[in-house]
Parts: sequence; structure tokens; C-alpha cells
Amino acid sequence: DSGVTQTPKHLITATGQRVTLRCSPRSGDLSVYWYQQSLDQGLQFLIQYYNGEERAKGNILERFSAQQFPDLHSELNLSSLELGDSALYFCASSVGTGLGTNPGTLHFGNGTRLTVT
Amino acid sequence: AQKVTQAQTEISVVEKEDVTLDCVYETRDTTYYLFWYKQPPSGELVFLIRRNSFDEQNEISGRYSWNFQKSTSSFNFTITASQVVDSAVYFCALSDSMDSSYKLIFGSGTRLLVRP
Repeated sequence: DSGVTQTPKHLITATGQRVTLRCSPRSGDLSVYWYQQSLDQGLQFLIQYYNGEERAKGNILERFSAQQFPDLHSELNLSSLELGDSALYFCASSVGTGLGTNPGTLHFGNGTRLTVT
Repeated sequence: AQKVTQAQTEISVVEKEDVTLDCVYETRDTTYYLFWYKQPPSGELVFLIRRNSFDEQNEISGRYSWNFQKSTSSFNFTITASQVVDSAVYFCALSDSMDSSYKLIFGSGTRLLVRP
């Protein structure tokens, strides 16, 4: 058990809908990362938060947004869903990334499998 | 640019064989970290090892061993006496400070099938 909790485990929804994926990082970890794993794109970095602030953005669509709350849990919001958004979405946490410092190992949650029909 | 290449898409071995998974990385940074993760059929990503760029010592953990060679930008992973439970997709990943986030850049993964 990595200590990173993601809910829900599975999500089935229709095109055009909006969903929210939730992530609770390991105790003491300040950084949260979101990744998308699809068959054709592999594991792609979406976005990172550190202690409530956005730190880095990857290939995240404009229809997607995220935030990290004061209690350090994070949510990834996916809207206007398309069939191609079907994927496994992972959250990972690490101790932190104060600028120029060692962020520690990223530990991943079990993922949320999103199916868009 | 940062890049991780796992040229072996799929490897199939018979139980008890040794198997090596290759990983080649690219980075302009002098301080970086290399990782291996395992993704079993159940889907979770399991952390196996992290090495930093200043430590080229090889590491052994039970049946697992890792060979880090900066001269060839490689970080290969060997499983000795493979077992059916080793069947999984294995990802090599790189983390550096190019954009201060230390996000992981993953290779495309190698699917290992260990047959009884």
C-alpha cells in the first residue's frame, strides 16, 4: 500500500459529461502529481501541485483542471468528456519540490479507471 | 530534452530464466534521478528503485538488480530466476530539475510475461 488514496476506482460516464477524481496524498507529502495512462499515449504527466499551488503543467487539455486544497488533497476535474478521455488516471505524491530541492520518490495511488461511452 | 527509451516492447521467458529489461535515458541536467516501477495486471504502479545521478553503484535487492551506467546513459534492470508473479509491465522513468517540478518522464514500458 503506497499510502496514496484515489477515489473512485472506476467511473463510467457518457460523452459530454463532467467528472471529478479525488486524491489524498501520503501523510506528510506536499506535492501531488496527476498522470494519464492511455493505451496509445502511455503514462503522460498532466499537472503538479505543491502545497496548494500549481507547480508544473504538462499535456493537460483545457477541458481538464485541477486544484489542491488546504488539507493537501487534490481533485482533477474533467469536463466535456470525449471517448478519447477514457484512460487510467493516476495521482502520485512526494515529500515536496521546494525549488531546487530533492522531491523524494513519487508514490502512486491505485488509479481511477475512467470509461467514457 | 528529457526522454526515456525502453526499446523492448514485450519479453516472454520461461520461469527460472534470467531476464534483463533495458532503459536508455536522455537529459541535459547533471542532477537527475532514475526510477523503475512495476505495473502488475491489477493496474497499480509499484515503486521498485530510485537512483541519483551521482551514485553509479549497482544495486541488488533479492532477485532484482540494477545496472546504472552514465557512460551509456543506461539503467538496466535484471530479474534473476524469474517467477510467474514477475509478470507485469515495467516502466523506467527519469526525473530532473529542468523545470523545477521533478516530474517523472516515463518510458513506454516493457511487458514481461513469465510462463510456467
